[in-house]
Amino acid sequence: DGGITQSPKYLFRKEGQNVTLSCEQNLNHDAMYWYRQDPGQGLRLIYYSQIVNDFQKGDIAEGYSVSREKKESFPLTVTSAQKNPTAFYLCASTPGLAYNEQFFGPGTRLTVL
Amino acid sequence: SQQGEEDPQALSIQEGENATMNCSYKTSINNLQWYRQNSGRGLVHLILIRSNEREKHSGRLRVTLDTSKKSSSLLITASRAADTASYFCATVGGMTTDSWGKLQFGAGTQVVVTP
Repeated sequence: DGGITQSPKYLFRKEGQNVTLSCEQNLNHDAMYWYRQDPGQGLRLIYYSQIVNDFQKGDIAEGYSVSREKKESFPLTVTSAQKNPTAFYLCASTPGLAYNEQFFGPGTRLTVL
Repeated sequence: SQQGEEDPQALSIQEGENATMNCSYKTSINNLQWYRQNSGRGLVHLILIRSNEREKHSGRLRVTLDTSKKSSSLLITASRAADTASYFCATVGGMTTDSWGKLQFGAGTQVVVTP
C-alpha cells in the first residue's frame, strides 16, 4: 500500500529532552511538510522540503529541526528550545511544490510531561 | 500565520440536512482547498478550486469561490452521521507570493451530524 506513515502514534517525553518524530512516504513524492496542530486550531507549517538535502523554515520553525537525507524520509526533531512542544504533529507530502493537494500521515501526538 | 477563517466554529445538524460552512481569507490566492479531519487523525483532501473558478462539485460536496469577497463556502448535501468531522479551508498563494506551494489553514469548522 502506498502512503505516509508516522510513528509513533503517541509519544511522551520529559521536559528538556529532545525527541524525533518519524515520517516516511512511499509515494515517490518530492515535497514533504511538517505541521503542528493545537486543540481547536488549524495547522501551522513548521518546515518543508522540496527536494532531498534541501529544506526551508515555515511559520513556526523555532525550536524544531529537520533533515532530508532520503526522498522517502523527513524526520522532525523537537528540541528542548521549543517552549510549548505538546501538540499533534502532522506530516504531509506532494509530488512537487506546485502540485498543491497534500497527502497527510495519521499524525503523532506528543505530550511533554 | 493563519490565512483563513471558518464560520461557524461548530455546526450541529441531523442526518439528511445540508451543512454549509464558510471561509474567508486575506490575500490573493492561486487556489483554495477544503480538507476533512476525523478526530485524532490526519487530514483528507476533499476538493480544490482555482482562483479562476467560481463553483465546483464532487459527489455531495459543492464549493463556491468569490475572489472579490475573498470568501469560499462548502456545502455538504444530505448529510450522514459519517460526515461528522472537522472541516478546514486552506489557501495557496500565487507564484510571486511567499505562500506559493504552501497551504495556509483556517481554524476549522467542527460538524456533528446526529442520526
